[in-house]
Amino acid sequence: GQQVMQIPQYQHVQEGEDFTTYCNSSTTLSNIQWYKQRPGGHPVFLIQLVKSGEVKKQKRLTFQFGEAKKNSSLHITATQTTDVGTYFCAGPEYGGATNKLIFGTGTLLAVQP
Amino acid sequence: DTAVSQTPKYLVTQMGNDKSIKCEQNLGHDTMYWYKQDSKKFLKIMFSYNNKELIINETVPNRFSPKSPDKAHLNLHINSLELGDSAVYFCASSQTTGLTFTGELFFGEGSRLTVL
Repeated sequence: GQQVMQIPQYQHVQEGEDFTTYCNSSTTLSNIQWYKQRPGGHPVFLIQLVKSGEVKKQKRLTFQFGEAKKNSSLHITATQTTDVGTYFCAGPEYGGATNKLIFGTGTLLAVQP
Repeated sequence: DTAVSQTPKYLVTQMGNDKSIKCEQNLGHDTMYWYKQDSKKFLKIMFSYNNKELIINETVPNRFSPKSPDKAHLNLHINSLELGDSAVYFCASSQTTGLTFTGELFFGEGSRLTVL
């Protein structure tokens, strides 16, 4: 079945360092979403990318959708302790016939002050 | 007002018992979901209802039975609980045009189930 993998699984950075997580799908995605889950919390929607090669920014966060629409990345510039959490990418099931969202394996970010 | 609310937040129970989790959303969305998050943080869809109609039913043991009395409510009943059922169960909702996904998921705060 369709798989969405993320690397790294875990990253520990010093506050102020940059961070990037990569998302790779086994199939082409019609769109990709990113969610953040704080420790002990629930996933919260960050952004959706739809177009091939699309780049979107939210303050220190930069999201990119690959040209082939099979991969995506999230880059955080100058991390802060508030960035701690697990970041998930998610894409609709291949074929788009349902609203089944397949979540990536997640990247846990730890930020040391 | 909480957009997607689940009760209870915590459930501790013995193997073999039956338990239910309730979910309500006040966003006016037409689609609701149950996701299971295991200890490794993997988020896996279990069920989805669109306007009270079951549209996604993943490979889940039939001990799990969802029910949607109306489009604002989705409950999950679990019979004969097993150790492997221990997880966090998230309810979510979204607005969907027909059956094509058009927007993001709004998650509830989760219900942490521990089976002893």
